[in-house]
Amino acid sequence: DVKVTQSSRYLVKRTGEKVFLECVQDMDHENMFWYRQDPGLGLRLIYFSYDVKMKEKGDIPEGYSVSREKKERFSLILESASTNQTSMYLCASSFRRSNTEAFFGQGTRLTVV
Amino acid sequence: GEDVEQSLFLSVREGDSSVINCTYTDSSSTYLYWYKQEPGAGLQLLTYIFSNMDMKQDQRLTVLLNKKDKHLSLRIADTQTGDSAIYFCAESIPGNNRKLIWGLGTSLAVNP
Repeated sequence: DVKVTQSSRYLVKRTGEKVFLECVQDMDHENMFWYRQDPGLGLRLIYFSYDVKMKEKGDIPEGYSVSREKKERFSLILESASTNQTSMYLCASSFRRSNTEAFFGQGTRLTVV
Repeated sequence: GEDVEQSLFLSVREGDSSVINCTYTDSSSTYLYWYKQEPGAGLQLLTYIFSNMDMKQDQRLTVLLNKKDKHLSLRIADTQTGDSAIYFCAESIPGNNRKLIWGLGTSLAVNP
């Protein structure tokens, strides 16, 4: 079974802290994605990566950065957490071929206080 | 631009059929997907349909695609309480295979 694992299910951080959300996949997928999910707004793409050390901005990259040093790991970084970044964060991965079935992690519920 | 729309809520009785609808704007979509998200969990792929197909059936699930109207539907037969979840429609676009365009999700409530 494909497994996408996010390092934390729940996280509480203080405003201004630097926050790292980690995601690991075990299927040798080229593509990896970070989304945030908010009620009424659906899934919004923050960043994605299609190869090691490659990244592209999604629809809402402001306030975030990413790192992909190894193929299996994709990290989302909140440089200085703010309360409006309280959300559910979902990591996903997929092969690069055109049938882009995405496999998701279980999500990290981040609360910034 | 690219857009996928779904109704936000659907309520059905256990044992009835559920039909969740989705419309999309990009006629060049290659694949269209249905994902399911159970409470507190990530999304999982339910089924997908290639854009040159009209229908796909998989056990209790039937996907219908009307390319002319850019309309996609998911029918769940004999809906059970375990089907209560959020259902997302998504499309992939040629030349943009790295990401999917998502609808906001339809929250399905199944009442006993």
